[in-house]
Amino acid sequence: QVQLEQSGSELKKPGASVKVSCKASGYTFTSYALNWVRQAPGQGLEWMGWINTNTGNPTYAQGFTGRFVFSLDTSVSTAYLQISSLKADDAAVYYCARGMQIPGRSYYFYYMDVWGKGTTGTVSS
Amino acid sequence: DIVLAQSPATLSLSPGERATLSCRASQSVSNYLAWYQQKPGQAPRLLIYDASNRATGIPARFSGSGSGTDFTLTISSLEPEDFAVYYCQQRSKGGTFGQGTKLEIK
Repeated sequence: QVQLEQSGSELKKPGASVKVSCKASGYTFTSYALNWVRQAPGQGLEWMGWINTNTGNPTYAQGFTGRFVFSLDTSVSTAYLQISSLKADDAAVYYCARGMQIPGRSYYFYYMDVWGKGTTGTVSS
Repeated sequence: DIVLAQSPATLSLSPGERATLSCRASQSVSNYLAWYQQKPGQAPRLLIYDASNRATGIPARFSGSGSGTDFTLTISSLEPEDFAVYYCQQRSKGGTFGQGTKLEIK
């Protein structure tokens, strides 16, 4: 079945870096965009941006430029989110989510039809 | 940036009742709006896209309406499993979410 499997919880110190993985299965990885969404403890959803899995071109939402990097390894159908110079307020659950696709229509990839279970990131000294 | 404001923040209803959730955009998003449901400890689930289209497998009691800046998610008769947090999201410019409406059991 179609699924996105995310890497496990991370505990990092302020200033460190973290790399979260998201492995796709059950569908052709390069045929669907991949979004990243953050959810701070007890808070709502924040769209971080998306990556074109065909070209590797990332697009970052406002507030997620500079320290955040989306990347791919298409040979293993996996997307990555790397966050550098971690701060306390980076503590959150990070979700990867597949962008929806409707044949012949554009820009539906912002809608997310398959989600990973989330990766919890904790930042503490 | 397009801001989505959801109301009410919390809605208290009983099973069997009708739920009406609102999402208002700071500028027109045409019909480019989706609704998601999130239960505690779970990832969100896509319910409605392009304002009124149910996603695959979503029960008919969920319906969406609206265009421009004002949108509504209606749950015609609440089931126990419908109590959750609901988010709207626009795709007109980027993919921002509203702050959510918590639907709780009265």
